[in-house]
Amino acid sequence: EAGVAQSPRYKIIEKRQSVAFWCNPISGHATLYWYQQILGQGPKLLIQFQNNGVVDDSQLPKDRFSAERLKGVDSTLKIQPAKLEDSAVYLCASIRGTGHYEQYFGPGTRLTVT
Amino acid sequence: AQSVTQPDIHITVSEGASLELRCNYSYGATPYLFWYVQSPGQGLQLLLKYFSGDTLVQGIKGFEAEFKRSQSSFNLRKPSVHWSDAAEYFCAVGTNRDDKIIFGKGTRLHILP
Repeated sequence: EAGVAQSPRYKIIEKRQSVAFWCNPISGHATLYWYQQILGQGPKLLIQFQNNGVVDDSQLPKDRFSAERLKGVDSTLKIQPAKLEDSAVYLCASIRGTGHYEQYFGPGTRLTVT
Repeated sequence: AQSVTQPDIHITVSEGASLELRCNYSYGATPYLFWYVQSPGQGLQLLLKYFSGDTLVQGIKGFEAEFKRSQSSFNLRKPSVHWSDAAEYFCAVGTNRDDKIIFGKGTRLHILP
């Protein structure tokens, strides 16, 4: 089966610009996660979807970050406006459903904000 | 709330030597434990997981880990490392109450030829 797809793989923007990342989870996976991984740290959960509903967005900086999963399949994460501290790798992961704890990760998008 | 501590930021071992990466967790009940590996520019790949049962779990690429409840630890081991094992290793803990896992800060493994 195809893995979790993410695009773009790399993005360089200036501060105050906007950027969007796309994720397509493994087919049939109901739960989707977005993580932020700052250099030298472990991934930090930003938002969790189950189908097209938000389960947890408590760690999402909602003044500048937004995410959607309108049809319960692929998802987009947007940052507007970007700050220097948003430079990180943004990882998408998915699991089949509730109780299936093994998360499958995409390759990530490396964002550099200058 | 659960948490994970990986006390070693960097570990350097010679090729062919044995390896042990430390992981300590904090959680009141029985945790679900994971080890992931991340090669440069790549996403995270699951090495192994512990949910219940035998406390010594085998994973891919010759790795194993042992769950020790009394020490709140889940250390990762490999008897003989290869140069291709150079990567960053993350320990993670989850629970049976939700579908979230918490990651440690990672240990970067360097291999000397």
